[in-house]
Amino acid sequence: GQQLNQSPQSMFIQEGEDVSMNCTSSSIFNTWLWYKQDPGEGPVLLIALYKAGELTSNGRLTAQFGITRKDSFLNISASIPSDVGIYFCAGQIRRNTGKLIFGQGTTLQVKP
Amino acid sequence: EAGVVQSPRYKIIEKKQPVAFWCNPISGHNTLYWYRQNLGQGPELLIRYENEEAVDDSQLPKDRFSAERLKGVDSTLKIQPAELGDSAVYLCASSPSRGSYEQYFGPGTRLTVT
Repeated sequence: GQQLNQSPQSMFIQEGEDVSMNCTSSSIFNTWLWYKQDPGEGPVLLIALYKAGELTSNGRLTAQFGITRKDSFLNISASIPSDVGIYFCAGQIRRNTGKLIFGQGTTLQVKP
Repeated sequence: EAGVVQSPRYKIIEKKQPVAFWCNPISGHNTLYWYRQNLGQGPELLIRYENEEAVDDSQLPKDRFSAERLKGVDSTLKIQPAELGDSAVYLCASSPSRGSYEQYFGPGTRLTVT
């Protein structure tokens, strides 16, 4: 089946640093999404992207929908301790199906 | 507004025993999903409901898993009998409209099969 590959698998950074993570696929996606999951909780949607080349921000978070529609990246600027968690990319191959395919996650740890 | 409610939060059972998980979606959300999340992995869809109808159950292992959403509101996911490999977090999500990417997740039920 379709797979999304996220990298890096984990990151350990200093508070205040910027973070970048990405997600790639062999399939074309029509929608890219980024979620964050805190321990013991379900994923929470951070950013949704709808078209190739789109760049969208949500506070200190910025995400882009790759031009080939096979990749996306997420940047976090000026990281803070509450950014700790697991970040998942997810894609929708056919729009409006509600069927999401998730990556395996990037675990972020922030040192105060 | 209350979020997606799931119970129990944790369950430990011996293999070959049955287990059931319950989910109450956000009020007014007609679309309901069950996902399984293995340790260190992203969620994987098991089944999707539109009201009472299971519209996508292609990933549900039907030999031991079953689900129902009789009145189009809350839902139950059952495993019978459970196997060691079923240990995972079972997440329920709901969506305000059919096919929407906006999926709101519950906290999940962590199942441990011993």
